[in-house]
Amino acid sequence: SQQGEEDPQALSIQEGENATMNCSYKTSINNLQWYRQNSGRGLVHLILIRSNEREKHSGRLRVTLDTSKKSSSLLITASRAADTASYFCATQGGSEKLVFGKGTKLTVNP
Amino acid sequence: ETGVTQSPTHLIKTRGQQVTLRCSSQSGHNTVSWYQQALGQGPQFIFQYYREEENGRGNFPPRFSGLQFPNYSSELNVNALELDDSALYLCASSFKGGTGVAGELFFGEGSRLTVL
Repeated sequence: SQQGEEDPQALSIQEGENATMNCSYKTSINNLQWYRQNSGRGLVHLILIRSNEREKHSGRLRVTLDTSKKSSSLLITASRAADTASYFCATQGGSEKLVFGKGTKLTVNP
Repeated sequence: ETGVTQSPTHLIKTRGQQVTLRCSSQSGHNTVSWYQQALGQGPQFIFQYYREEENGRGNFPPRFSGLQFPNYSSELNVNALELDDSALYLCASSFKGGTGVAGELFFGEGSRLTVL
């Protein structure tokens, strides 16, 4: 079963615009992670935010976490065509497994 | 690149056959996890190996089994293949210290299995 639900399922923007993806989850977590996947390839870790953190930045990425609403958002600023990929949120509770959502497919048009 | 390598990259099997997929962990990592990703879906946790023992399992039947070797490389074996086993199988390595969870995972490029 999938805990995280990303929204929207697909997003198409122009280069230079910002892209925002949202993730909701159901149970308590230890941390929440965002991954990126280029078509049919492996996942690349982007950022990890712990349950006691509210916001984290990494380059053009900004992640927020609201544990009271069980939701997170990923903002990519000044998007580039190379950002075109699927983005997944994944939650980790007390066990080792990551529970992934179905992902948001981002297309950045040049 | 993550340093996690998987083989083979693609393979085709027929229903009822058995398959073995292999994974080499990133240097310094002691934990290997396997995930199944069906087309258009997010990855689903199969199991994790830590110090050569299974350390957590997802909702997969016993015909999915694994091994971790002393050099932290790993195998995923699937017996009695079914059509629904067609998917991208992803291996991920990480470092787990003490009683904490492993945190960030480093994924390989995956093995794409097609069952006919």
